[in-house]
Amino acid sequence: DGGITQSPKYLFRKEGQNVTLSCEQNLNHDAMYWYRQDPGQGLRLIYYSQIVNDFQKGDIAEGYSVSREKKESFPLTVTSAQKNPTAFYLCASSIGRDDIYEQYFGPGTRLTVT
Amino acid sequence: AQTVTQSQPEMSVQEAETVTLSCTYDTSESDYYLFWYKQPPSRQMILVIRQEAYKQQNATENRFSVNFQKAAKSFSLKISDSQLGDAAMYFCAYMRGNEKLTFGTGTRLTIIP
Repeated sequence: DGGITQSPKYLFRKEGQNVTLSCEQNLNHDAMYWYRQDPGQGLRLIYYSQIVNDFQKGDIAEGYSVSREKKESFPLTVTSAQKNPTAFYLCASSIGRDDIYEQYFGPGTRLTVT
Repeated sequence: AQTVTQSQPEMSVQEAETVTLSCTYDTSESDYYLFWYKQPPSRQMILVIRQEAYKQQNATENRFSVNFQKAAKSFSLKISDSQLGDAAMYFCAYMRGNEKLTFGTGTRLTIIP
């Protein structure tokens, strides 16, 4: 079955440590996205990538980094510079062309930093 | 910058009844896309319906339909014959072309048996 996988579902880290969240898709989508969701808020865009080896900052990129070495994979690293990293992180992908722009989401990763 | 406003933090509806969720947005563009996403307790975001701004006809997907008023920048979601499985957070979102999605803050929908 085609879809987007994120692992792990729950992640715990100590303050000061970097942590990498995984996102893989087998939908052959060109574009991939990372969002952060906090209680009572909508989703906010962290980074996005429209093609391999290229990515752009979203609205809240500070303290995060990404890479896009393969079309299927778009890992997100939460660095120690992120002041409030505890949140729910969602990865999404879309075809991103031919008037097909809707994004499909993975199941998310809940990150807790103490 | 584009903004999306959902003015109803919470809504409730009796099972089998109809409910309408409101969404307004602000943009200076004429060509864009609008979406409604559902987020059940599992927290998986699920696409419910999409509307292209250049289409005058309102989108419909089974029990879900929209009322798209381009001049008023309004994009409401109507859920007919509400079911218990419709209970979720509903997010309205705006996108221009292949750019980012801008989300509203969501409406929590409760279905009363």
